Amino acid sequence: EAGVTQSPTHLIKTRGQQATLRCSPISGHTSVYWYQQALGLGLQFLLWYDEGEERNRGNFPPRFSGRQFPNYSSELNVNALELEDSALYLCASSLGTSFNEQFFGPGTRLTVL
Amino acid sequence: GNSVTQMEGPVTLSEEAFLTINCTYTATGYPSLFWYVQYPGEGLQLLLKATKADDKGSNKGFEATYRKETTSFHLEKGSVQVSDSAVYFCALSSAGRRALTFGSGTRLQVQP
Repeated sequence: EAGVTQSPTHLIKTRGQQATLRCSPISGHTSVYWYQQALGLGLQFLLWYDEGEERNRGNFPPRFSGRQFPNYSSELNVNALELEDSALYLCASSLGTSFNEQFFGPGTRLTVL
Repeated sequence: GNSVTQMEGPVTLSEEAFLTINCTYTATGYPSLFWYVQYPGEGLQLLLKATKADDKGSNKGFEATYRKETTSFHLEKGSVQVSDSAVYFCALSSAGRRALTFGSGTRLQVQP
């Protein structure tokens, strides 16, 4: 069974640009989560999508947004990039029911210059 | 709100030593508790979990017991190997919120 996949592996942007990160969940999983792992800040929850709807959002500004497609894949968009957005962005998926463990992808390393 | 506190790292041990990584939490209700491991250059892998008080999660020789009275979920292994060198994250998920709340991570270095 294929795991969670993310693309691209690495992304380099300049300040003010927009970045788009993509995630494909494990087959059968309807929930997708996005986390930011910035140096020195640990893992922070960004967004949770389930059945195409945004269900919960972490403490991030509105320039972090995303969506979930009918096939349950997801996209994270970061507008007006700032230097501090440089981080590893991890996507996870789970079954739709509560308390199911989240399975993580390998991440996208975003570097903002 | 929810929070997870882990012991500061790095933890450096010799091969075959006993490992304990402390984790305590604050949460409303009855959260599920997890340990994730991140090997160098990789994403997170679920190591073990426990969903109710007194449950013991175990995997690959690692164990952790959900202690509601002390709000703890300490990770233990009787004999570590060099291949266990990684960063370990304690995390919780509570009803309704679903998002994982992570501790700051503990880096483990095992020397031959």
